[in-house]
Amino acid sequence: DTGVSQDPRHKITKRGQNVTFRCDPISEHNRLYWYRQTLGQGPEFLTYFQNEAQLEKSRLLSDRFSAERPKGSFSTLEIQRTEQGDSAMYLCASSLTPPDGNTIYFGEGSWLTVV
Amino acid sequence: AQSVTQLGSHVSVSEGALVLLRCNYSSSVPPYLFWYVQYPNQGLQLLLKYTTGATLVKGINGFEAEFKKSETSFHLTKPSAHMSDAAEYFCAVGNTGNQFYFGTGTSLTVIP
Repeated sequence: DTGVSQDPRHKITKRGQNVTFRCDPISEHNRLYWYRQTLGQGPEFLTYFQNEAQLEKSRLLSDRFSAERPKGSFSTLEIQRTEQGDSAMYLCASSLTPPDGNTIYFGEGSWLTVV
Repeated sequence: AQSVTQLGSHVSVSEGALVLLRCNYSSSVPPYLFWYVQYPNQGLQLLLKYTTGATLVKGINGFEAEFKKSETSFHLTKPSAHMSDAAEYFCAVGNTGNQFYFGTGTSLTVIP
């Protein structure tokens, strides 16, 4: 069990550029989640996948955001035309499908700074 | 609807003193309750969880929490604070569909 891994850990980008983050979940986990965390706040749910299917999206996920999990393994989160308000930590988490798994396990996060 | 309230965004304790971090939740169904810890520039690490059974749960690093349904609380405690406990602590409530709702966090400072 190598845990949830995220890449890159830090990204600085200019406003208007596109960025992509990658998440590799714990290998046997078929659920994968994306959260966003800003300073002084707890994680906020963005979206989640059951295998390759994206089952729920938060209204926080504007049309500039897109997430994929094409083969039900790793996932990518792309932000197009970044804005300064997108600066945050993007957290990936994974779990088994409930009721087999009622705990989500987080990666180290990807920090995005938009300048 | 589910939500979490963490009372006290900052808590300071002396090294060796009792740590008490408060969490109250609201949930229309029996909840799953969690405490996570976050060190600077890192992700969230699970400290402990309550799903069913014994209401006093023990976690890593000497932490424990008690589920009190009548008080809708899940406070986190540790008898003796260590310098390495300084971090951000998040309480979360989850449901059977793994929808998690997090509190805004409590920053713990340990004074030598």
